[in-house]
Amino acid sequence: DVKVTQSSRYLVKRTGEKVFLECVQDMDHENMFWYRQDPGLGLRLIYFSYDVKMKEKGDIPEGYSVSREKKERFSLILESASTNQTSMYLCASSRGTSFSRPLLSSYNEQFFGPGTRLTVL
Amino acid sequence: AQSVTQLGSHVSVSEGALVLLRCNYSSSVPPYLFWYVQYPNQGLQLLLKYTSAATLVKGINGFEAEFKKSETSFHLTKPSAHMSDAAEYFCAVRGGAQKLVFGQGTRLTINP
Repeated sequence: DVKVTQSSRYLVKRTGEKVFLECVQDMDHENMFWYRQDPGLGLRLIYFSYDVKMKEKGDIPEGYSVSREKKERFSLILESASTNQTSMYLCASSRGTSFSRPLLSSYNEQFFGPGTRLTVL
Repeated sequence: AQSVTQLGSHVSVSEGALVLLRCNYSSSVPPYLFWYVQYPNQGLQLLLKYTSAATLVKGINGFEAEFKKSETSFHLTKPSAHMSDAAEYFCAVRGGAQKLVFGQGTRLTINP
Protein backbone atom coordinates (compact mmCIF):
# COMPACT_ATOMS: atom_id res chain seq x y z
CA ASP A 1 0.00 0.00 0.00
CA VAL A 2 1.06 3.54 -0.71
CA LYS A 3 1.83 5.43 2.42
CA VAL A 4 1.98 9.19 2.62
CA THR A 5 2.98 10.55 6.00
CA GLN A 6 2.97 14.08 7.32
CA SER A 7 5.25 15.20 10.11
CA SER A 8 2.58 16.51 12.47
CA ARG A 9 -1.17 16.00 12.88
CA TYR A 10 -1.59 19.22 14.85
CA LEU A 11 0.61 22.29 14.96
CA VAL A 12 0.24 25.62 16.76
CA LYS A 13 2.45 28.53 15.73
CA ARG A 14 2.60 32.26 16.33
CA THR A 15 2.20 35.01 13.76
CA GLY A 16 5.48 35.74 12.03
CA GLU A 17 7.08 32.37 12.72
CA LYS A 18 8.62 30.33 9.93
CA VAL A 19 6.75 27.03 9.63
CA PHE A 20 7.85 23.81 7.95
CA LEU A 21 5.38 21.09 7.03
CA GLU A 22 6.97 17.85 5.92
CA CYS A 23 5.53 15.13 3.71
CA VAL A 24 7.12 11.77 2.92
CA GLN A 25 5.88 9.07 0.53
CA ASP A 26 7.25 5.55 0.31
CA MET A 27 6.15 4.49 -3.20
CA ASP A 28 8.77 6.19 -5.35
CA HIS A 29 6.16 8.55 -6.80
CA GLU A 30 7.33 11.33 -9.08
CA ASN A 31 4.49 13.77 -8.38
CA MET A 32 3.80 15.40 -5.04
CA PHE A 33 1.21 18.01 -4.08
CA TRP A 34 0.33 20.37 -1.25
CA TYR A 35 -3.29 21.42 -0.71
CA ARG A 36 -5.06 23.42 1.92
CA GLN A 37 -8.57 22.47 2.96
CA ASP A 38 -11.03 25.03 4.32
CA PRO A 39 -14.73 24.61 5.09
CA GLY A 40 -16.89 25.50 2.12
CA LEU A 41 -13.90 25.85 -0.18
CA GLY A 42 -12.86 22.23 -0.62
CA LEU A 43 -9.21 21.56 -1.40
CA ARG A 44 -7.12 24.16 -3.13
CA LEU A 45 -3.73 23.42 -4.68
CA ILE A 46 -0.84 25.42 -3.25
CA TYR A 47 2.16 23.91 -5.07
CA PHE A 48 3.07 20.72 -6.79
CA SER A 49 6.25 19.01 -7.94
CA TYR A 50 6.71 16.45 -10.69
CA ASP A 51 10.38 15.76 -10.07
CA VAL A 52 13.19 16.45 -7.64
CA LYS A 53 14.02 20.16 -7.48
CA MET A 54 11.05 20.93 -9.79
CA LYS A 55 8.07 22.89 -8.56
CA GLU A 56 5.08 24.66 -10.02
CA LYS A 57 2.64 27.08 -8.47
CA GLY A 58 -0.87 25.96 -7.89
CA ASP A 59 -3.92 28.15 -7.42
CA ILE A 60 -2.97 29.81 -4.11
CA PRO A 61 0.83 29.97 -3.78
CA GLU A 62 1.03 33.38 -2.11
CA GLY A 63 2.68 33.22 1.29
CA TYR A 64 4.05 29.73 0.71
CA SER A 65 7.15 28.13 -0.75
CA VAL A 66 8.18 24.51 -1.23
CA SER A 67 11.28 22.39 -1.35
CA ARG A 68 11.91 19.02 -2.96
CA GLU A 69 15.50 17.94 -2.49
CA LYS A 70 14.75 14.21 -2.43
CA LYS A 71 12.18 12.27 -4.40
CA GLU A 72 10.32 10.99 -1.36
CA ARG A 73 10.07 14.28 0.55
CA PHE A 74 8.14 17.45 -0.23
CA SER A 75 8.20 20.32 2.24
CA LEU A 76 5.80 23.23 2.50
CA ILE A 77 7.22 26.40 4.03
CA LEU A 78 5.32 29.33 5.47
CA GLU A 79 7.96 32.05 5.49
CA SER A 80 6.09 34.25 7.97
CA ALA A 81 2.95 32.63 9.27
CA SER A 82 -0.23 34.67 9.41
CA THR A 83 -3.60 33.97 11.01
CA ASN A 84 -5.25 33.53 7.61
CA GLN A 85 -3.02 30.51 7.06
CA THR A 86 -4.79 28.64 9.81
CA SER A 87 -6.08 25.61 7.94
CA MET A 88 -5.83 21.89 7.29
CA TYR A 89 -2.90 21.06 5.00
CA LEU A 90 -2.96 17.87 2.95
CA CYS A 91 -0.10 16.32 1.05
CA ALA A 92 -0.59 13.89 -1.83
CA SER A 93 1.57 11.92 -4.23
CA SER A 94 1.05 10.13 -7.52
CA ARG A 95 3.02 8.14 -10.04
CA GLY A 96 4.45 10.17 -12.89
CA THR A 97 4.42 9.47 -16.62
CA SER A 98 7.27 8.18 -18.73
CA PHE A 99 8.00 11.67 -19.99
CA SER A 100 9.80 14.45 -18.18
CA ARG A 101 6.60 16.50 -18.06
CA PRO A 102 3.24 15.02 -17.13
CA LEU A 103 0.87 14.48 -20.04
CA LEU A 104 -2.71 15.70 -20.10
CA SER A 105 -3.78 12.45 -21.73
CA SER A 106 -2.88 10.33 -18.75
CA TYR A 107 -3.74 10.45 -15.13
CA ASN A 108 -2.50 8.56 -12.10
CA GLU A 109 -4.37 8.42 -8.81
CA GLN A 110 -3.33 10.76 -6.04
CA PHE A 111 -2.79 9.26 -2.60
CA PHE A 112 -3.26 11.51 0.39
CA GLY A 113 -1.64 11.86 3.77
CA PRO A 114 -3.69 12.28 6.97
CA GLY A 115 -3.28 16.05 7.05
CA THR A 116 -1.77 18.63 9.39
CA ARG A 117 -4.13 20.98 11.18
CA LEU A 118 -2.20 24.23 11.58
CA THR A 119 -3.34 26.98 13.90
CA VAL A 120 -1.59 30.36 13.73
CA LEU A 121 -2.18 32.56 16.76
CA ALA B 1 -10.48 25.93 -17.18
CA GLN B 2 -11.97 23.05 -15.26
CA SER B 3 -14.29 23.47 -12.28
CA VAL B 4 -16.60 21.43 -10.10
CA THR B 5 -19.76 22.40 -8.23
CA GLN B 6 -21.20 20.21 -5.52
CA LEU B 7 -24.83 20.99 -4.77
CA GLY B 8 -25.49 20.93 -1.05
CA SER B 9 -22.79 21.39 1.56
CA HIS B 10 -24.71 19.13 3.96
CA VAL B 11 -26.86 16.11 3.19
CA SER B 12 -28.69 14.10 5.83
CA VAL B 13 -30.34 10.72 5.20
CA SER B 14 -31.73 7.95 7.33
CA GLU B 15 -29.92 4.65 7.69
CA GLY B 16 -31.06 2.37 4.88
CA ALA B 17 -32.18 5.24 2.64
CA LEU B 18 -30.80 6.19 -0.75
CA VAL B 19 -27.74 8.41 -0.76
CA LEU B 20 -27.48 10.95 -3.60
CA LEU B 21 -24.64 13.48 -3.69
CA ARG B 22 -24.68 15.85 -6.62
CA CYS B 23 -21.72 17.02 -8.69
CA ASN B 24 -21.64 19.13 -11.84
CA TYR B 25 -18.47 19.86 -13.72
CA SER B 26 -17.10 22.18 -16.35
CA SER B 27 -14.22 21.06 -18.51
CA SER B 28 -12.73 22.27 -21.78
CA VAL B 29 -11.35 18.80 -22.50
CA PRO B 30 -12.86 15.34 -22.10
CA PRO B 31 -13.11 15.05 -18.33
CA TYR B 32 -11.66 12.58 -15.92
CA LEU B 33 -13.87 12.70 -12.82
CA PHE B 34 -13.38 11.44 -9.29
CA TRP B 35 -15.13 11.04 -5.99
CA TYR B 36 -13.06 11.05 -2.83
CA VAL B 37 -14.21 10.39 0.74
CA GLN B 38 -12.72 11.85 3.91
CA TYR B 39 -13.54 10.19 7.21
CA PRO B 40 -13.06 12.24 10.38
CA ASN B 41 -9.43 13.05 11.10
CA GLN B 42 -8.18 11.27 8.01
CA GLY B 43 -6.89 12.13 4.57
CA LEU B 44 -8.82 11.61 1.35
CA GLN B 45 -9.47 8.17 -0.08
CA LEU B 46 -10.49 7.48 -3.67
CA LEU B 47 -14.04 6.10 -3.95
CA LEU B 48 -14.27 5.82 -7.72
CA LYS B 49 -13.16 7.43 -10.97
CA TYR B 50 -14.43 7.96 -14.50
CA THR B 51 -11.77 7.98 -17.22
CA SER B 52 -13.83 7.80 -20.44
CA ALA B 53 -14.69 4.10 -20.31
CA ALA B 54 -18.09 2.93 -18.98
CA THR B 55 -20.38 5.78 -17.97
CA LEU B 56 -21.61 3.93 -14.86
CA VAL B 57 -18.72 3.55 -12.50
CA LYS B 58 -18.73 1.32 -9.45
CA GLY B 59 -16.56 2.12 -6.49
CA ILE B 60 -15.78 0.88 -3.04
CA ASN B 61 -18.27 0.47 -0.18
CA GLY B 62 -21.25 0.07 -2.53
CA PHE B 63 -21.03 3.52 -4.10
CA GLU B 64 -21.46 4.21 -7.78
CA ALA B 65 -21.62 7.25 -10.03
CA GLU B 66 -22.95 7.90 -13.51
CA PHE B 67 -21.28 10.20 -16.01
CA LYS B 68 -23.85 12.18 -18.00
CA LYS B 69 -22.21 14.33 -20.61
CA SER B 70 -25.44 16.06 -21.66
CA GLU B 71 -26.02 17.19 -18.08
CA THR B 72 -22.32 17.70 -17.24
CA SER B 73 -22.99 15.70 -14.10
CA PHE B 74 -21.31 12.95 -12.11
CA HIS B 75 -23.64 12.27 -9.18
CA LEU B 76 -22.69 9.76 -6.49
CA THR B 77 -25.25 7.26 -5.23
CA LYS B 78 -25.59 4.38 -2.82
CA PRO B 79 -28.85 2.42 -2.57
CA SER B 80 -28.81 1.94 1.19
CA ALA B 81 -26.95 4.20 3.61
CA HIS B 82 -24.97 2.79 6.48
CA MET B 83 -23.85 4.62 9.60
CA SER B 84 -20.24 4.12 8.54
CA ASP B 85 -20.88 6.24 5.41
CA ALA B 86 -20.91 9.42 7.50
CA ALA B 87 -18.04 11.47 6.10
CA GLU B 88 -17.22 14.35 3.80
CA TYR B 89 -17.30 13.65 0.08
CA PHE B 90 -15.42 15.53 -2.59
CA CYS B 91 -15.97 15.51 -6.32
CA ALA B 92 -12.96 16.39 -8.47
CA VAL B 93 -12.09 16.86 -12.13
CA ARG B 94 -8.70 16.48 -13.74
CA GLY B 95 -7.25 19.95 -14.04
CA GLY B 96 -4.43 19.16 -16.41
CA ALA B 97 -0.88 17.88 -15.93
CA GLN B 98 -1.83 15.39 -13.24
CA LYS B 99 -3.63 18.01 -11.15
CA LEU B 100 -7.09 17.81 -9.62
CA VAL B 101 -9.68 20.54 -9.16
CA PHE B 102 -11.97 19.84 -6.21
CA GLY B 103 -15.51 20.82 -5.39
CA GLN B 104 -16.49 22.42 -2.11
CA GLY B 105 -17.32 19.13 -0.44
CA THR B 106 -20.56 17.63 0.90
CA ARG B 107 -20.85 16.46 4.48
CA LEU B 108 -23.04 13.37 4.71
CA THR B 109 -24.84 12.65 7.97
CA ILE B 110 -26.63 9.35 8.58
CA ASN B 111 -29.56 9.36 11.01
CA PRO B 112 -30.30 6.14 12.92
